[in-house]
Amino acid sequence: AQSVTQLGSHVSVSEGALVLLRCNYSSSVPPYLFWYVQYPNQGLQLLLKYTTGATLVKGINGFEAEFKKSETSFHLTKPSAHMSDAAEYFCAVNKGSQGNLIFGKGTKLSVKP
Amino acid sequence: DAMVIQNPRYQVTQFGKPVTLSCSQTLNHNVMYWYQQKSSQAPKLLFHYYDKDFNNEADTPDNFQSRRPNTSFCFLDIRSPGLGDAAMYLCATSSAWGNTEAFFGQGTRLTVV
Repeated sequence: AQSVTQLGSHVSVSEGALVLLRCNYSSSVPPYLFWYVQYPNQGLQLLLKYTTGATLVKGINGFEAEFKKSETSFHLTKPSAHMSDAAEYFCAVNKGSQGNLIFGKGTKLSVKP
Repeated sequence: DAMVIQNPRYQVTQFGKPVTLSCSQTLNHNVMYWYQQKSSQAPKLLFHYYDKDFNNEADTPDNFQSRRPNTSFCFLDIRSPGLGDAAMYLCATSSAWGNTEAFFGQGTRLTVV
């Protein structure tokens, strides 16, 4: 069975600092992995996804993530945080052939001026 | 241009009074999902349609029903809302079942009074 663990329910960084949001997954089949962002009272917006091929994936708003099979990780990074990055971030994995997304519990990112 | 549209954005209903949330999509996707998201939690899948085939998650309460009259529209019916049903309800679509990203609407925030 697939599952996702996001370490840290709340991460706080200063504006301009590195953003690192952690995600580990378990999957019995090669996973498809996703990061979504959710602003207050909004739906989820796809940041990036890993399917196959290059393990370093670039997304929108300067975010990227690296799929590391040996570590079963898919951490999200951004070199320099902006105030507008403050939001909740969800890592998700496809439930194999069943298709629907399994979400982690989310990490709320705060950015201090 | 909005691709998955949910109406209304905010809904207040009385305890026990049936309520319907609506979702429409312009993507012509085969799969439509309804998720429930309570405060500071991950979205939880209630059910999904693949075309006209309805699939209920095992732990979705009978109080929740859904209709999909055509490809573009999907409705969530809550027959007798309880206080515990207050949440954000997210509609999403995907082009296929399995290993594809989901596109989310803005959500409907349901308040039960």
